[in-house]
Amino acid sequence: AQSVTQLGSHVSVSEGALVLLRCNYSSSVPPYLFWYVQYPNQGLQLLLKYTSAATLVKGINGFEAEFKKSETSFHLTKPSAHMSDAAEYFCAVSGGFKTIFGAGTRLFVKA
Amino acid sequence: DTGVSQDPRHKITKRGQNVTFRCDPISEHNRLYWYRQTLGQGPEFLTYFQNEAQLEKSRLLSDRFSAERPKGSFSTLEIQRTEQGDSAMYLCASSLRDTGPPGAQETQYFGPGTRLLVL
Repeated sequence: AQSVTQLGSHVSVSEGALVLLRCNYSSSVPPYLFWYVQYPNQGLQLLLKYTSAATLVKGINGFEAEFKKSETSFHLTKPSAHMSDAAEYFCAVSGGFKTIFGAGTRLFVKA
Repeated sequence: DTGVSQDPRHKITKRGQNVTFRCDPISEHNRLYWYRQTLGQGPEFLTYFQNEAQLEKSRLLSDRFSAERPKGSFSTLEIQRTEQGDSAMYLCASSLRDTGPPGAQETQYFGPGTRLLVL
């Protein structure tokens, strides 16, 4: 069985500050991990995915995530937040026939 | 751009009525997924098609829900006798995968969703 826990339903950062969104997973099989972003009234867009090729995964819009098996974590980071990064972010795990999503973290970016 | 499209984008209905949503996946994609997303939650898996075959259904999908993908292209999701608890965003996603279990490595491309409000 798989599950995902996103720590913090809301995160607020200042423009230009580091973005850190936390995700811990549980999986009985080697996991495939994803981060998606959702803007208001839109579907989900893939930011990046981990498929065991490399532990540090670079995605779109300057985001990256590091897979840490010992910590069962897949945290999402971006060195410098931009106003356009304000959105809801979902971590997801897949290792079987379906993808399990976390509850989401809403990112606020202050000017 | 020929991404995933969904119709309608919004639907308001009265309790007890039937509703039907449509999803048009990316044309060459052979896999299609339906998810339900309620406020403050991530998407929850409902069902999955490979071509025209419905291969998996979540326990969330009660007998009032039915999904089809008759020609392996577009899909419909019907909810009969709607209840207020059905109010949610219904998301469709599609992917292309030749072998292996669904969702394992493939990228799922999501549509904009259909927001349902049951009064």
